[in-house]
Amino acid sequence: NAGVTQTPKFRILKIGQSMTLQCAQDMNHNYMYWYRQDPGMGLKLIYYSVGAGITDKGEVPNGYNVSRSTTEDFPLRLELAAPSQTSVYFCASSYSGESPLHFGNGTRLTVT
Amino acid sequence: AQKVTQAQTEISVVEKEDVTLDCVYETRDTTYYLFWYKQPPSGELVFLIRRNSFDEQNEISGRYSWNFQKSTSSFNFTITASQVVDSAVYFCALSYLSGTYKYIFGTGTRLKVLA
Repeated sequence: NAGVTQTPKFRILKIGQSMTLQCAQDMNHNYMYWYRQDPGMGLKLIYYSVGAGITDKGEVPNGYNVSRSTTEDFPLRLELAAPSQTSVYFCASSYSGESPLHFGNGTRLTVT
Repeated sequence: AQKVTQAQTEISVVEKEDVTLDCVYETRDTTYYLFWYKQPPSGELVFLIRRNSFDEQNEISGRYSWNFQKSTSSFNFTITASQVVDSAVYFCALSYLSGTYKYIFGTGTRLKVLA
């Protein structure tokens, strides 16, 4: 039982490049989330999903896109990377909106 | 607006001291859930406790205890006899229903326990 798996662990992008952060969970959770963590700023919700085919914006969605074609996978797409997107990205999942979150180990992204 | 405030950015204590981490939340909803998570230096996020808005009972788990008071919209976390291994960033979080459930975090409190 792997839990929540994020890939890659580290990535350096040049300004204007694009990439997809992968997230997969094997707990059959309905809810999945993407957060970014900036130093001293806590965790900010980027996008979330309550089930396959359903996604919604969080607090800081600009510059990102998501899709949820299966229950297991919730990739985060960065288009036209900017230095402001340098951050640590966490994917999480939960059985329901009231349940504790299970987090992946994070992806450290640097945009230069 | 829904909000979680952790006013203490960083706290330093000497080992074996007790320490309380504050969490104040704002929500218009009558049904909501509060959580604490720990982020040790290794970076992973670990769930510690959940409370729903109808359960104001305090909880104790070993050296950890939580005090939930709806009257002051607070959900504070106390570590008794702190240890170096407690050094981490601690996040308070709120889950509330707005169409679907949304989950927001405070900015975290960095706890340093000195030997």
